[in-house]
This record gives sequence, structure tokens and C-alpha cells, in this order.
Amino acid sequence: EPEVTQTPSHQVTQMGQEVILRCVPISNHLYFYWYRQILGQKVEFLVSFYNNEISEKSEIFDDQFSVERPDGSNFTLKIRSTKLEDSAMYFCASNGAGHTDTQYFGPGTRLTVL
Amino acid sequence: ILNVEQSPQSLHVQEGDSTNFTCSFPSSNFYALHWYRWETAKSPEALFVMTLNGDEKKKGRISATLNTKEGYSYLYIKGSQPEDSATYLCASNNAGNMLTFGGGTRLMVKP
Repeated sequence: EPEVTQTPSHQVTQMGQEVILRCVPISNHLYFYWYRQILGQKVEFLVSFYNNEISEKSEIFDDQFSVERPDGSNFTLKIRSTKLEDSAMYFCASNGAGHTDTQYFGPGTRLTVL
Repeated sequence: ILNVEQSPQSLHVQEGDSTNFTCSFPSSNFYALHWYRWETAKSPEALFVMTLNGDEKKKGRISATLNTKEGYSYLYIKGSQPEDSATYLCASNNAGNMLTFGGGTRLMVKP
């Protein structure tokens, strides 16, 4: 069964460093998403991506964040200069048909900023 | 700001018990309500997507109902088993494609 994969499973970085989180969505999907969950809090939407551009983003997704689909299979989230408060579990998701279609989630990348 | 709430936060039941949880969500501009089952260190597993008022969906021993007019959904588990232990998340689609999640209900089933 197709699944969303994410690498790495755990990333530790120093404050101020850049990180890139990688995702491989399900191959025939068209919509891609990033969410995050800070420990003890709700899962929060960051950004959605369709047709090679951002279609929606939340207030969290400021200039420090960017997304890219560099080739036909990968979808990346870059944080330019990490802060302590960026420590969270980051989830990638994808679906084929937008808002009434199931979003399939990857297992997440746990980012720890020291 | 959309607010999705789930209750209870956690629940301990005995194997064989039936149980249910609640998700409340904004009824305005409603598109869809999603339920997920999430075990630690695994991907959240999609259970149901419901869009229409009065929708009922079933997957094995798990079922869900939807009331879009009053903004709530119930998830039912019949005859709970230890392998049902997980966090159950609901998420509402009220604008665009973004999901707004509740805080989850953590279910623990004792053998």
C-alpha cells in the first residue's frame, strides 16, 4: 500500500542553523502539506502546496520557512535559522483531490533545537 | 481562529467495553470532518472522512457519526481490544484544504 515517507526520523540541531526536512508523498497525489505538533499541544497546519506553489499558509509559516518540490518525488520543508520554539514533530501529508479527500500522513520528523 | 475540541482527553477501558468520544467543530463554512488513529512513532492512520449531515461510517468495530448543523461528531468503538489503544484525532476542514485538529483522545484498553 502506498505511503508517505519522511526523513530523517529525528533531527537535532543548534539554534540558528538551517534544517531541511524531507518527505516523499504518495506518487499520484497533487496536494502536499506540512503540519507540526509541539509537545503537549495540538497538531497545527503550516502550509499547503499545489501545482508548484503555496496555496495556503498559516501565521506560523513566516519568512524563516520555505517549501520546495525539487523533483517529481520529494517535498521539502526548510527552516532557515532555527529557534528553540521550532522544536516539534513535523508531519508531511498528501492527497489527490483537495479538501474532502483523505490526507495521508507520514510518520513525522522529530526536530530538536538546542 | 477555528477551534476543534475533543473529549475526553484520555480514557481507560477494559477489554470488551464499548466506548465513544466526541469531537466538536465550527459548523460555519464546513467542508469535511476527518478522524485519525495515531499510535506513537507511527503515521496517523486515516479512519474516516465525513462531509454530509447525518453521515455514518463504519470500519470493522469502529464507527462515526456527523452532525454538521450543531458541529459535532462521535466516534464509537464496539468491544474494545488492547490493540485499539491509541490517540484518536479529529480534524475539521472549514476553509481551503487545511485541517484544524482537536487535541485528541488517548484511549488505553486494559486486557
